[in-house]
Amino acid sequence: EPEVTQTPSHQVTQMGQEVILRCVPISNHLYFYWYRQILGQKVEFLVSFYNNEISEKSEIFDDQFSVERPDGSNFTLKIRSTKLEDSAMYFCASSGDSSGNTIYFGEGSWLTVV
Amino acid sequence: QKEVEQDPGPLSVPEGAIVSLNCTYSNSAFQYFMWYRQYSRKGPELLMYTYSSGNKEDGRFTAQVDKSSKYISLFIRDSQPSDSATYLCAMSVTTSGTYKYIFGTGTRLKVLA
Repeated sequence: EPEVTQTPSHQVTQMGQEVILRCVPISNHLYFYWYRQILGQKVEFLVSFYNNEISEKSEIFDDQFSVERPDGSNFTLKIRSTKLEDSAMYFCASSGDSSGNTIYFGEGSWLTVV
Repeated sequence: QKEVEQDPGPLSVPEGAIVSLNCTYSNSAFQYFMWYRQYSRKGPELLMYTYSSGNKEDGRFTAQVDKSSKYISLFIRDSQPSDSATYLCAMSVTTSGTYKYIFGTGTRLKVLA
């Protein structure tokens, strides 16, 4: 069964460092998302991406965050200067169309900022 | 008022019990309603989705939507220890031509053998 894959599964980084989280969405999907889940808290929307541009972003997705689809398969989330409060599980997700019903998540990248 | 409210639990039930998980919401623009299962430190796994009010059944799982009350439920029949996980409700609303998904906080379920 097709799946969303994410790397790395776990990254520890020092405060102020740049981090890039990588995702390979399901191959025929057109809509891509990043979500964040701080330990013990709810899954929070960060950004959606379609047709090589951001469709929508939340208030969490400030200037420190950026997304990119550098080639036909990868979808990346960059955090320019990490803060302690960026420590969370970051989930990439994709959906095939804008029907709004089936969004598939990757296993997540656990980011720890020290 | 939060857009989506879900009791975080934990909810402990004996094996074989019927489990009822619920969410309420405030935004009448929500169009699709989903239930995800999330094991510890794993990604949410889609269980079921519904669009209209009513029931939808899939094996031991039944999803129920009541749009007039802004209330959704997931029922698990004959619960098993392997059902122990966090169950997230999610709802989608269209914005700028794409859908945004809003999640509940999740209900932690433990099925005791």
